[in-house]
Amino acid sequence: QSALTQPPSVSGAPGQRVIISCTGSSSNIGAGYDVHWYQQLPGTAPKLLIYGNINRPSGVPDRFSGSKSGTSASLAITGLQAEDEADYYCQSYDSSLSGPLFGGGTKLTVL
Amino acid sequence: EVQLVESGGELVQPGGSLRLSCSASGFTFSSHAMHWVRQAPGKGLEHVSVISNNGDRTYYADSVKGRFTVSRDNSKSTLYLQMSSLKPEDTAIYFCVKGPLGPGFFGNWGQGTLVTVSS
Repeated sequence: QSALTQPPSVSGAPGQRVIISCTGSSSNIGAGYDVHWYQQLPGTAPKLLIYGNINRPSGVPDRFSGSKSGTSASLAITGLQAEDEADYYCQSYDSSLSGPLFGGGTKLTVL
Repeated sequence: EVQLVESGGELVQPGGSLRLSCSASGFTFSSHAMHWVRQAPGKGLEHVSVISNNGDRTYYADSVKGRFTVSRDNSKSTLYLQMSSLKPEDTAIYFCVKGPLGPGFFGNWGQGTLVTVSS
């Protein structure tokens, strides 16, 4: 598997809730490896948003939450704000690659 | 505060070579594995390479295996990526990232350095 599968884009109005999915396989997410999420604002480096499926680093608002089930994971963003407009990437570990694997990325547009 | 500062990116012709550097501070460099992750223009993230804390283990993505070499100098808290036989598809921003040797997350990223392979 060359990349975890994410929708190319999602959108929502301010205040709404959006969900970004991340689908893997039996060699990565389905094998029990944790899923992590990164937020990349335009022109900047990615920033860790969720680690270990559900955990938020210090400073990340609780509007962001993660979940994992089977071979998939999801990132939920509630109370959408204009500053949430960014690219979001999931990441796990792949036993076939013996290395980390990223999702293709999802562009979030706040309408 | 962890700081990772990449340098060395520039315009290079196809078939050429380039060495990237990443200067680290704010943590015990010699205790941590280090990674290179790249992002082609308008594209997603691709893991390129990892090196163990003492340099005895390395890993490369298939796309760069045999052409790129990762190394480190713990006395200088510096990570390197020697790139050779460069191809246009190697054009990307290269990020230096602090992370685990095995499964885990990438907690600290540099700002990146742009490598452009073009004639």
